[in-house]
Amino acid sequence: DAGVIQSPRHEVTEMGQEVTLRCKPISGHNSLFWYRQTMMRGLELLIYFNNNVPIDDSGMPEDRFSAKMPNASFSTLKIQPSEPRDSAVYFCASSLSGTHKSEQFFGPGTRLTVL
Amino acid sequence: AQSVTQLGSHVSVSEGALVLLRCNYSSSVPPYLFWYVQYPNQGLQLLLKYTTGATLVKGINGFEAEFKKSETSFHLTKPSAHMSDAAEYFCAVRGGANSKLTFGKGITLSVRP
Repeated sequence: DAGVIQSPRHEVTEMGQEVTLRCKPISGHNSLFWYRQTMMRGLELLIYFNNNVPIDDSGMPEDRFSAKMPNASFSTLKIQPSEPRDSAVYFCASSLSGTHKSEQFFGPGTRLTVL
Repeated sequence: AQSVTQLGSHVSVSEGALVLLRCNYSSSVPPYLFWYVQYPNQGLQLLLKYTTGATLVKGINGFEAEFKKSETSFHLTKPSAHMSDAAEYFCAVRGGANSKLTFGKGITLSVRP
């Protein structure tokens, strides 16, 4: 199994630009999670989906952030416009929910730097 | 509602010494508990988990953790630290069937030669 795939691995952009992060979950998993990790705030859950439907987006910091999951094998997290304080590592994770085996499997992360 | 407390942000041990990383949780329903490890510039990897059954769970790399309901704890231990154990460790709780994991702030483990 290829695991959770994220792209790009690194992104450097200028303030005001649109940024799109991509995630491919593990095949067969029906839950997908987006996290942000910073030194100051640690690991924060931004949003998660069950069966492609957003369930909890209370962690999305503001309207500049949006996430979609058009199908079971793909999700995007978009920041528009980006700001320097958005610099962080963004992780995607997936799991098979509804069972006791539903641990989350994490991707390698996207390191975002907004100048 | 659920939460995780990992006291302190950094633990340093000598190679060969006991590793003890503390985790306390709160959950309004029977919890599922997890420990993840994050090596530098990598994502999180599952070390071990408790769902039901035996309260002492063994994980990868010689780590184990014991679920103590009366103490609301799930401390992580390893009898003998290796240099390769240096990483950040996260405790997490999931409240029953809810998919959402709540993570602690993480603890950085350093291993001295």
